[in-house]
Parts: sequence; C-alpha cells; structure tokens
Amino acid sequence: EVQLVESGGGLVQPGRSVKLSCAASGFTFDEYGLHWVRQTPGKGLEWVSGISWNGAHIGYADSVKGRFTISRDNAKNSLSLQMNSLRADDTALYYCAKGLFLDAAAPEFDFWGRGTLVIVSS
Amino acid sequence: SSELTQDPAVSVALGQTVSITCQGDNLRRYFAAWYQQKPGQAPVLVIYGQNKRPSGIPDRFSGSSSGHTASLTISGAQAEDEADYYCNSRDSSGSLVVFGGGTTLTVL
Repeated sequence: EVQLVESGGGLVQPGRSVKLSCAASGFTFDEYGLHWVRQTPGKGLEWVSGISWNGAHIGYADSVKGRFTISRDNAKNSLSLQMNSLRADDTALYYCAKGLFLDAAAPEFDFWGRGTLVIVSS
Repeated sequence: SSELTQDPAVSVALGQTVSITCQGDNLRRYFAAWYQQKPGQAPVLVIYGQNKRPSGIPDRFSGSSSGHTASLTISGAQAEDEADYYCNSRDSSGSLVVFGGGTTLTVL
C-alpha cells in the first residue's frame, strides 16, 4: 500500500523558515517524480514544486521560486521542502504527491498524502 | 494566475450526464489530468492521458480533448460524485505544472 506522510507544518512567523518532510512507503521510491501541492483553506490547488526521480530536474511555481527548495533522498525514501522567507500568502495545507511517471513536470499524481498545515502569521 | 480555466460550478440531475471543461492554450500540446476532491480529503486522480482511468475509478468517468479544451465527462452521475474537480497539465513551457481553478459539481 502506497503511503505518503507529511510532517513539519505549524505556525511560523512571516520572514522565517520551515522545512516540510514527506515519508514514503509502498512503492519503488526512486522510479517516480514527486511533487508538493498546496491548498489554501476553501480554495483551489496550487502546484508548488516537482522533482524528477533522480533529482536532476526540478521545477518551481513562480510564486515560490527563489524562496523554496525541493529535495529528495532516495536512500531514505523521503521528500523535503525547505521554505524560506515565508509570507502570509504561503499559508496553506501542503500535500506531498507521487507522480505517475519519472519526470518533474508530468502532471499525473496518483497518490497523495493527507497534508501538513503551514500557517504564516505573527 | 492559472493558465487553465474551469467553470466555478456545474450541476447535474442524478443519473444524467455532465461534462466539466478545462481550457488553456497549453492543452493544444499536452493532455490534462483530472482530480476529484471531496471535503476534508486529498484529491484523487480520476482521468489522465488520453482517457485513462486509474485502478478503482468507475467507468462512468471519461476524458476527452479538442483544441484548447479538455473535458471530463461523468455518464450517469451518482450522488457520491458530488465534489470539486480540478484539471492540471504541463504549462506552456512544458517544464512546470499548472492547475485549473476547480469546478464544484452538485448532483441534484
């Protein structure tokens, strides 16, 4: 059974940093792209970032480029998102999602975690 | 702003057929994927590629594409199909992913 479990969310002050993690199990981790997708309560989905199976290709939404860094550790079956210079509009539920294919920009996400909530507020 | 446009809300009578559309110039080149999201739950992939359904998705869900419009069709809508539906695809550069704004489906 595929499982994706996010952690690291919480209340953080504007301008500060937080690192999200996603622990994966139930599939061959290094054969798939992985993604972070966020959702503001009551609003739509926003793709944040994606990383290819080997970490060689990475993409970011314009809204987070230069502030967020995605990474993966294939030895530990884990995905991370380092979030710096946080702003109020980064407040959202952050989902980890498994891609159906290898690359960082294939839009098919066949498994999702339950999300971790990040609230940016003073 | 999103490069994919969806109608905010659509309704369908129980048992009838409904199509939810997603428009964007990038859809002339790339397929859309479709997700169903119910309140308090993570999204679920229902259609991808050229009308492919993941395991466990009922065959009343189908997808199609024409020009700059992708469509998700539910044939014989059930009460449990009431949910938000999102499309996504590669952006115009092919290097990033974009989501549509979502469509709330009400089954009457």
